[in-house]
Amino acid sequence: QQQVKQSPQSLIVQKGGISIINCAYENTAFDYFPWYQQFPGKGPALLIAIRPDVSEKKEGRFTISFNKSAKQFSLHIMDSQPGDSATYFCAASKSSSDKLIFGTGTRLQVFP
Amino acid sequence: DVKVTQSSRYLVKRTGEKVFLECVQDMDHENMFWYRQDPGLGLRLIYFSYDVKMKEKGDIPEGYSVSREKKERFSLILESASTNQTSMYLCASSSPRGADREKLFFGSGTQLSVL
Repeated sequence: QQQVKQSPQSLIVQKGGISIINCAYENTAFDYFPWYQQFPGKGPALLIAIRPDVSEKKEGRFTISFNKSAKQFSLHIMDSQPGDSATYFCAASKSSSDKLIFGTGTRLQVFP
Repeated sequence: DVKVTQSSRYLVKRTGEKVFLECVQDMDHENMFWYRQDPGLGLRLIYFSYDVKMKEKGDIPEGYSVSREKKERFSLILESASTNQTSMYLCASSSPRGADREKLFFGSGTQLSVL
C-alpha cells in the first residue's frame, strides 16, 4: 500500500525554468511533510519541510505548497539550475512517530 | 559535522550467504533506520530502532534482521541472501529532540549485489 504517491517519475527542465514535483498522501494523521534531495553517490539530505498549519513555505528558490483539503503538497524550484539536477523525494509522517514514509522519487535533470 | 558512516560502498555476495551491513553515527542519536532504495519504488523502511537493544519492523522486514548493541551502531543482517535483495541500502539516524527533531541524517549507502 503506497501511502505517499509522487509524480512525475522524471522531469527535464531548461535552466531558468520552474520545476514542479507533486505528492499526494492518504493518511490524514500525517502532519509533517519534508522533501529530501539526493545527488548521485550520496544519501538523501533534507531540503525543506512543512507542517499543515501553513499553506506555503519558501526557502530561497525552493517552495513547498500544501493543500490540506486535497491531501496534496508540491515542491517548486524557481530559476532551476544544472546544480539542482538530483533525485527528489517527498515524505510524510506523524509527529508522534519518527517513521517517515517516502514517495517513489523524481529524477530532475536541468539542462543549460 | 554530523556523520553517518556505512562500512562498505559496494558489496558482492553469493546467494545463501549471511550478510552484515554496518552503520555508525557520531551524533548521539537515539533513532536509527535501515531503508532500501530501488528504482521506481523509492525508499522503503526495513527496520528501525529507538534505543539500544530495541528494534521495530518497518514495511518490508522479511528476510532481514537487525542488531543494536551500542547506541552509535545499527547493523542490518541478511540471514540468507537472495537475488531479490540486490539493492541500495541506506542507513539513517535522527534525534527525537532539538531543532533537528524529525530530520533524518543519511549515510552514503551500500550497493549490495547478490549473485
